[in-house]
Formats: sequence, C-alpha cells, structure tokens
Amino acid sequence: QQPVQSPQAVILREGEDAVINCSSSKALYSVHWYRQKHGEAPVFLMILLKGGEQKGHEKISASFNEKKQQSSLYLTASQLSYSGTYFCGTVRGYPANNLFFGTGTRLTVIP
Amino acid sequence: DADVTQTPRNRITKTGKRIMLECSQTKGHDRMYWYRQDPGLGLRLIYYSFDVKDINKGEISDGYSVSRQAQAKFSLSLESAIPNQTALYFCATSEGGENGYTFGSGTRLTVV
Repeated sequence: QQPVQSPQAVILREGEDAVINCSSSKALYSVHWYRQKHGEAPVFLMILLKGGEQKGHEKISASFNEKKQQSSLYLTASQLSYSGTYFCGTVRGYPANNLFFGTGTRLTVIP
Repeated sequence: DADVTQTPRNRITKTGKRIMLECSQTKGHDRMYWYRQDPGLGLRLIYYSFDVKDINKGEISDGYSVSRQAQAKFSLSLESAIPNQTALYFCATSEGGENGYTFGSGTRLTVV
C-alpha cells in the first residue's frame, strides 16, 4: 500500500530546483507531504485534497493529479535549510483515512 | 512543552522483555497513531485510535499491543521484544480532515 517516491536521493547546490514525485497504485483521496531532518520528527508541509490542486509553502509547492494517482513536490531556489528527507503520505479514503507513507527522498543542499 | 511527548527517548532492552512506550498530547486531538520507522522503509502504521474506545490494527501490528488510557494518552507495548523490533517509533496525532499529523520526537528502541 506504500506509495512509491522518486528519486530516492538528490543533491542540489543552493539556488537550484528539484522535483520529488510520489505515485500510488490505488485511487487516492488526498496526499500529504512531510519533511524530516536528521534525528527529528517529520514535520507537516502541506496537504492536497482535490485532483489538480496545487498548494504553496514559501518556495515549496506541490501538485496532485488525481487521475494519474500522482503528486509532485517542487522545491525552487533551494536553501541549505531545505535539506532533509521528504515523505509523501497517501490517503485512500477507506477504511479509515489512514496515511501510508512513501519510503522517502533524501535531499541534500550544498553551498 | 511539546504538543506530542514520547517517553522514553531512547531505550535498550533485552530479547523477551516486555516494554512500553508512552505518548501524551496536548493538542486535544481524538486521533492518535503509532508508526515505526526503519531505514529505507519509511514510516509504517502499527496501530491507530480514533477515540478512547476505538483501537485498530495498522499494517504491521503483529508483536505489538496498544492502550488508549485517555484522549491524551496512547501507549504502545511490545509483549516480548525481539531484535527485529529495533527501530525508531513515532507517535502522531491528527484532527482529521484537511489537517496534517503532528509527530512526537520519537523513541529509539534497541532490542539486543
């Protein structure tokens, strides 16, 4: 039931852009995105509830293609503080709207 | 104080021992969850509870049990710990709907 994330890891220089993809084999009700810094708890970034919905959070935004059962996270003009592991979480809507997390994408931003 | 508090932060225990991980929250959320994180596997759901009388198994509940003592407290027990239960355990809460999950700081458990 876990969604699949790609890439598994990416290294960026400050100021570069990145896209992280999340896809599911099941129909989705919503998608969450979280960032986890090393040794810390995952922190909620955003939720996308409707197909085609795009949301933004500073220079981090995301889209949700309900038909393709995919979501993408866009990081623009990356900063050192963006480093961490990004997880998508998918909600199928049944049986209980539980969140199933992907395996994560490790993002490293270097000066 | 943190919104979601987990104790202990770190624990080393021996195979066969019973151990309890505790979670308390001040968010006032009804929904509480226990997840396990292993390298390369992401977070996997162990148990979840939508209120004090509602307890449900997640993806990987075998070898675990839970207790929801109050709206604010949700404990995870390993009845007889085994080495492959060595992992980072997170408690989370949610309001549901359009809201994300709030995670505790985690408990790093090592079973030797």
